[in-house]
Formats: sequence, structure tokens, C-alpha cells
Amino acid sequence: KNEVEQSPQNLTAQEGEFITINCSYSVGISALHWLQQHPGGGIVSLFMLSSGKKKHGRLIATINIQEKHSSLHITASHPRDSAVYICAVRWRGSQGNLIFGKGTKLSVKP
Amino acid sequence: DTGVSQDPRHKITKRGQNVTFRCDPISEHNRLYWYRQTLGQGPEFLTYFQNEAQLEKSRLLSDRFSAERPKGSFSTLEIQRTEQGDSAMYLCASSFPGFSGPLTGELFFGEGSRLTVL
Repeated sequence: KNEVEQSPQNLTAQEGEFITINCSYSVGISALHWLQQHPGGGIVSLFMLSSGKKKHGRLIATINIQEKHSSLHITASHPRDSAVYICAVRWRGSQGNLIFGKGTKLSVKP
Repeated sequence: DTGVSQDPRHKITKRGQNVTFRCDPISEHNRLYWYRQTLGQGPEFLTYFQNEAQLEKSRLLSDRFSAERPKGSFSTLEIQRTEQGDSAMYLCASSFPGFSGPLTGELFFGEGSRLTVL
């Protein structure tokens, strides 16, 4: 079993839909990252969370430390949101070793 | 451009050859990370530097892999005697230390160096 599990693996949505991507992890963590990767490889950091909730534009990230679960929400989705969204956790006792999920491939249709 | 830069962006080499990748982090960042990503998978941690000190290495990093950050600025990742299984995207990221504040701990990634071993 992977230490970081994302669901769904693939997601197709219509423009304007509200989207939720989930991340569950099995290790104790000090922080969780949500990353966006476009075709061609470039990765952009969206959020880093250690508790609660963060919002940036149409993106919202939440984390429940007790339940070892995080969600990434996209409101009013747009075709330019199409990308792979990756959850990564920084487990306790390591400053550098991030454990990554396999990613959720999102495709938003116009 | 003051982001993380990696060079080369693409490298095609024959099995058995040595390759070296370079990463220039954002200048104020003292932490630098190397990751490897194969097709359809999430990135995997390889190694991590704080300033010039290599603080962590993954067990994935065999003896053929070596990374340096001699002056605490740019870093190099060398793969000796490349194998076809080394074909992957090699990603570099940098960050401020710590976990408080809006930016500390946030990762900034380069565009990656794609290696193809024939």
C-alpha cells in the first residue's frame, strides 16, 4: 500500500463544475503540499498546509490531521485547470524527504 | 527569470555513458532537493541539501548517483554508467527553511531535465 493515496486517479469535468481531489496518507506528517503539473513536466506549488484550510483564488485546500486526509477543491473549473494534481507529504523526522502521491489527472472540458 | 533553472532540459545518451545535470536554485533558498519522476508516477525523493551539506539520501540513490552542492548555491547530479532504467525526468526544487509564514517551506520546482538512455 502506498503511503500517499490520491483519488480519483482520473477526473473529467465540464467547465464550471466544482471539483474535489482527495489525498489520504498513512504516516505522521509535518506538512502536506498540493502541486500542479502541466504536460511537459513543470511543477508549481499550490499550497503547503500543516493544519486547517487555505484559499487562493478558485483553489481551496483543507487538511484533517486526525483523519490523515486532505482535499483540494477547485471552484468554477476552467479548461486551463486541466493538469495533474499531486499531493505530497513531508513526514515527521525528515526535512527533505517528501512522499508523493501518483497524482490525479484532471481534464476540464469546455 | 529568478526561478529554479535546470540544465540541460533534455539529454539522450547511450547506456554506459556518464551524465551530469545542473540545478540553479532561487538565490535566497538554502534548501535544494532532487527528485526523479518516471512516466505516470509521482516524483520520488533522491536527495536533499541544506546549504552545502547533503543531509539526506534516498536508498533509491545507488552508488552510480552522486550529487554535490559545493558552495551552497548550484547543485549537480551525476549518473555514472547509465542504464536504461535511469530514463526519467530529474526534478530540482528549492525552498526557504521552516514551516511558518506564507512562503517558508514552499517548494519551487525547475522545469526538469529529461534523460533518455538508449
